[in-house]
Amino acid sequence: DTAVSQTPKYLVTQMGNDKSIKCEQNLGHDTMYWYKQDSKKFLKIMFSYNNKELIINETVPNRFSPKSPDKAHLNLHINSLELGDSAVYFCASSHNGRGYEGETQYFGPGTRLLVL
Amino acid sequence: AQSVTQPDIHITVSEGASLELRCNYSYGATPYLFWYVQSPGQGLQLLLKYFSGDTLVQGIKGFEAEFKRSQSSFNLRKPSVHWSDAAEYFCAVGVYNQGGKLIFGQGTELSVKP
Repeated sequence: DTAVSQTPKYLVTQMGNDKSIKCEQNLGHDTMYWYKQDSKKFLKIMFSYNNKELIINETVPNRFSPKSPDKAHLNLHINSLELGDSAVYFCASSHNGRGYEGETQYFGPGTRLLVL
Repeated sequence: AQSVTQPDIHITVSEGASLELRCNYSYGATPYLFWYVQSPGQGLQLLLKYFSGDTLVQGIKGFEAEFKRSQSSFNLRKPSVHWSDAAEYFCAVGVYNQGGKLIFGQGTELSVKP
């Protein structure tokens, strides 16, 4: 009965590879997000989707492509992985349409990506 | 530009002692403010949030925070810390009309001494 789940939990890969991270929420929320947490634990939003529509795209390299097949899923595909992509990636969701600024966001457990 | 600053990167307190974690924000309007906690290897969990009204906000696990507009602060407090409170704490501000975007502070790591 996990609210926001991510797979895989750990991902170790070589530079230049392409990888995907999956996120699912069973809370019935309309908005989903991807955050990146770097090695200094700094958290920064990457994308948000509302009901499959892209709302936020925070100057992320176009090697990163989010895909939302339905409002319960938001996947993150990363092409041509670089060393600097090593980080923890968190998925989150919130209830309201278009994710207004007062909404509580519910976070998944994170995916720890290591690029060698 | 909006920003959140947590001046203390790491704090150590003794179990049973009181705790205050500092958070300062820069925002052009009345902010929506949040405190999240991240336990080791886990995702973030909301402790409490402030929208408007009473400036003293109660949260889960015995935490509270006080919004002080004059000081642009939203400090988190707990009267008696438990060993299980050891974690990373993040203050965040919700940005108006930007699709739920949260701007986080750098985080404060809390260690608890027995």
